[in-house]
Formats: sequence, structure tokens, C-alpha cells
Amino acid sequence: DQQVKQNSPSLSVQEGRISILNCDYTNSMFDYFLWYKKYPAEGPTFLISISSIKDKNEDGRFTVFLNKSAKHLSLHIVPSQPGDSAVYFCAASAWMNRDDKIIFGKGTRLHILP
Amino acid sequence: GAVVSQHPSRVICKSGTSVKIECRSLDFQATTMFWYRQFPKQSLMLMATSNEGSKATYEQGVEKDKFLINHASLTLSTLTVTSAHPEDSSFYICSAPGYLTSGRSYEQYFGPGTRLTVT
Repeated sequence: DQQVKQNSPSLSVQEGRISILNCDYTNSMFDYFLWYKKYPAEGPTFLISISSIKDKNEDGRFTVFLNKSAKHLSLHIVPSQPGDSAVYFCAASAWMNRDDKIIFGKGTRLHILP
Repeated sequence: GAVVSQHPSRVICKSGTSVKIECRSLDFQATTMFWYRQFPKQSLMLMATSNEGSKATYEQGVEKDKFLINHASLTLSTLTVTSAHPEDSSFYICSAPGYLTSGRSYEQYFGPGTRLTVT
């Protein structure tokens, strides 16, 4: 049973436009969400996170939005740049369970088109 | 920022042999580390939680005797793939949580990964 779902395996966006990556979760105990970026044959790199007490967190070109009632979060990248082409993983954890494990979605491959 | 290293970055071994992968936290202590496996075009799968000074906690479906985990110190965890077979070929990644002073883990620092190929 997938607790973190990224339903779009891939996404293509024109350079300079906005990239929106979506993520849904099923476990209501999750209270901390993260986005990671991954290039082939490398470990994931942390991008941005959001606590369940917030509905938005912004860091430069990256903004994460959280809709707790819908159990949905999204990552916005604007403007999209060629170097943003990578696989993006949504992840979640449940701090209330004192559990540092993070559960990953399957990832969305983002292609930035010139 | 915090750095996690893995060694080796790439290893090729023959079927039936054992391979050890090291994961080190370079500038912080980690009482807990995590081991992941990634198959081609698939998500990261959590294999086990490595606990310093105690037994590792394995996820459902992961063979404990196949994937031996040892967390010998606060900066080192090792994953040994025993009697490796071609189906064990994969990309193995470790991570360690980075704690804020409040004690809340705010992110996982990932190693660069180890590519294991079993021939």
C-alpha cells in the first residue's frame, strides 16, 4: 500500500515556465514533508520541506504547498531552468511517532525543454 | 552542511561472494542510519534502520540474513550483502537524519550511493 503517491511519472515543462509537481499521501499521521531531487547514479539531495503546521514554504525558486484536508502537497519551481531536469521525490515522515523514517513516493521525472 | 559518505561508490563481484558497503557521517554523529535500495526507474525502497549499539530494524520483505547491517559507531554503519546473486544488483543508498537542537529531525542527509553489480 503506497502511503506517498506521485501519480505523474514524468513531466515536461518549457524553460522559464512554472513546473508543478504533485504528491498525495494517505497516512494522516504524517506531519512533515520533504522534496528531494535526484540525478542518475547519485544520492538524493534535499530541496525543501514543510511542517504540517504550515501551508506554504518558500525557498528561492522553490515553493511547497500543503493542503492537509486533501492530503496533498505540491512543489512549484519558477522559473524552470535546464538544471532542474531530474527526478523529484516527495517524502513524508511522522514525527509524532518519534519515527525518523521517511517514506518516499515513486518520483516524477522532470524534463525542462529549451 | 552535514555530509554522508559511502564506500565504495561502485563494486562488481561474482555470484556467491559477499560485499560490504560503508556509510559514514563525516561531521556529525548519527545514532540512526537508514539503508535504501533503488531499482532502475523505481523509487527508493527503505530496507532497514541501523541503530548504533543495537540490532537493525528491517522492513517487511527484507531478508535479515541476506543483508547484514552493523552500526559499530556513531559515525559508521555497514551493509553486507551476503552470498550475492545477480538479482541483488542495485543502487544502494544510506542516509542519516540531521537533528535540530530541538531534537526534531528536519531532513535526511543522503550518501552518494553505491552501485553493486553481481556477475
